[in-house]
Amino acid sequence: SQQGEEDPQALSIQEGENATMNCSYKTSINNLQWYRQNSGRGLVHLILIRSNEREKHSGRLRVTLDTSKKSSSLLITASRAADTASYFCATEPGGAQKLVFGQGTRLTINP
Amino acid sequence: DADVTQTPRNRITKTGKRIMLECSQTKGHDRMYWYRQDPGLGLRLIYYSFDVKDINKGEISDGYSVSRQAQAKFSLSLESAIPNQTALYFCATSDPGGLAGPSTDTQYFGPGTRLTVL
Repeated sequence: SQQGEEDPQALSIQEGENATMNCSYKTSINNLQWYRQNSGRGLVHLILIRSNEREKHSGRLRVTLDTSKKSSSLLITASRAADTASYFCATEPGGAQKLVFGQGTRLTINP
Repeated sequence: DADVTQTPRNRITKTGKRIMLECSQTKGHDRMYWYRQDPGLGLRLIYYSFDVKDINKGEISDGYSVSRQAQAKFSLSLESAIPNQTALYFCATSDPGGLAGPSTDTQYFGPGTRLTVL
């Protein structure tokens, strides 16, 4: 069964707008990661946030983590057409030493 | 990422055939993984290996087997392919981060193999 669930499943916005995706998970985690997948390609790691961190930034990406709510959000600011992709959260449940992926949010940026 | 390669990139086969998908990496990572992805879904773990002598079943190992021939090579076999094994297959590697810190298990993915079983 999937540990993480992304919301929304699909998101379509205009270029320049901000995109927010959410991830909820079920069990305690060591860290949570976000990956990006362009259509039919391999996943690419974007950012990792540890369980003792609340917010992390990387360029136009901002990730938050609320362990009390077992949820995380990924914000992409000033979106570009090239940001069109699917975005997956992945958690490392405590002690598991392997990742469990959500089903992803399909993001479309309209020019 | 050219550091993780998969062959073949595309394969069409028939029900009952034996298929091997190969993965090679030049990242020097000990940990390797095989996932499958079905349309509109996330990745599901098939098998993983933390070193050459270590093989572990993942979430959906039935109908699959693996071989870790060397640190750099991890092969996935479908002994008798069936149509519901039609999917996109990904290999990934990771580095546990060494002795200096906790495992981050950030994974590096190959380009994928698109397998169709008729």
